[in-house]
Amino acid sequence: KQEVTQIPAALSVPEGENLVLNCSFTDSAIYNLQWFRQDPGKGLTSLLLIQSSQREQTSGRLNASLDKSSGRSTLYIAASQPGDSATYLCAVRGNQGGKLIFGQGTELSVKP
Amino acid sequence: NAGVTQTPKFRVLKTGQSMTLLCAQDMNHEYMYWYRQDPGMGLRLIHYSVGEGTTAKGEVPDGYNVSRLKKQNFLLGLESAAPSQTSVYFCASSYDGGANVLTFGAGSRLTVL
Repeated sequence: KQEVTQIPAALSVPEGENLVLNCSFTDSAIYNLQWFRQDPGKGLTSLLLIQSSQREQTSGRLNASLDKSSGRSTLYIAASQPGDSATYLCAVRGNQGGKLIFGQGTELSVKP
Repeated sequence: NAGVTQTPKFRVLKTGQSMTLLCAQDMNHEYMYWYRQDPGMGLRLIHYSVGEGTTAKGEVPDGYNVSRLKKQNFLLGLESAAPSQTSVYFCASSYDGGANVLTFGAGSRLTVL
């Protein structure tokens, strides 16, 4: 059974810092991995999707990497801003059944 | 372009009452999903659909039923609500079940007393 873990559960950084959020998964037979952002009381917004054949994806100040063999993904946020404060979730889609399995998220707070 | 719309946004029920959550998408997506989100538990898949007229069970299907009579709508029903079903429910859709991203609705907060 696929399990997805995100550590830490919460992170607080000063504005301007570069930071890395971690996601690990137990079964390396994945189809793709997605990173989402969730603002308080809101739904999830897809940030980046990495296919199993890819190593990384970039969008603006965000860079997501994928290492299937070690069961890890990282989300790198450059030059963090207070507007980046949110909960970030990763989700893995397996080869069988295609269902997304979510991690519990990392709550990020960027202080001005 | 509305994306994924969930109704109602908030609802309070008494134990044993029934209700239906409606999810509507205007993107012609084939796949639709219902998740619940609980503190410390992340998002868990309740039921999903891979096309009009089809439904399948997810991780936590007990106590819920679903229907997909029209491609754009996916209904989640609670026949006899229980306090354990107090949660925030999210609907999502995608063009297919593989390479494309999921688009989420804003959520429906349900409280069962």
